[in-house]
Amino acid sequence: EVQLVESGGGLVQPGRSLRLSCTASGFTFGDYAMSWFRQAPGKGLEWVGFIRSKAYGGTTEYAASVKGRFTISRDDSKSIAYLQMNSLKTEDTAVYYCTRVRVYDSSGYYQRDFDYWGQGTLVTVSS
Amino acid sequence: DIQMTQSPSSLSASVGDRVTITCRASQGISNYLAWFQQKPGKAPKSLIYAASSLQSGVPSKFSGSGSGTDFTLTISSLQPEDFATYYCQQYNSYPWTFGQGTKVEIK
Repeated sequence: EVQLVESGGGLVQPGRSLRLSCTASGFTFGDYAMSWFRQAPGKGLEWVGFIRSKAYGGTTEYAASVKGRFTISRDDSKSIAYLQMNSLKTEDTAVYYCTRVRVYDSSGYYQRDFDYWGQGTLVTVSS
Repeated sequence: DIQMTQSPSSLSASVGDRVTITCRASQGISNYLAWFQQKPGKAPKSLIYAASSLQSGVPSKFSGSGSGTDFTLTISSLQPEDFATYYCQQYNSYPWTFGQGTKVEIK
């Protein structure tokens, strides 16, 4: 059974750092890309960033709102994806979700499928 | 950035009704579109990917269609467990963006 479990959330002061973890099980983690999303209280969903599998270079993409402050990494030996969040702002307060991203070839084009989501971890940035 | 606009923002329907939610992209996204269902206090759940492919384990009452800029999610026969908020998301280009959500209430 595929499972994604986020951890590391909590209350943090503005300007400080926090690292979230997404621990995966039930599949070969290294074969998949991973992505982070977030949802501020009472608001809609927002994409945070994405990391490709090593087979596709392991490179990353970020939303403009977090670029330069957040870093996504992965440890395939431990089946964990990380979200390092620096210089946190009050507007970063949200539930953070990690997702598995299945990338497949569809008639010569790459398609993506955000098939599994973790349960989320709440990050509160407040003084 | 590609803007995704869902309509309606909310709807109220009876059990057994056919419900359609639309999603419009501000520019063409081919079929790089997903639909998610989210219930209060829960993580989003994937329903549809590649605009019309049904996620494994999702009931066939859910279907997606469209390509380019206009997309629809249809629930063929609404059931009480379908009370939720539904989001579309484009992943044609970065940044990936979501519609504002459609809240479905049961009459």
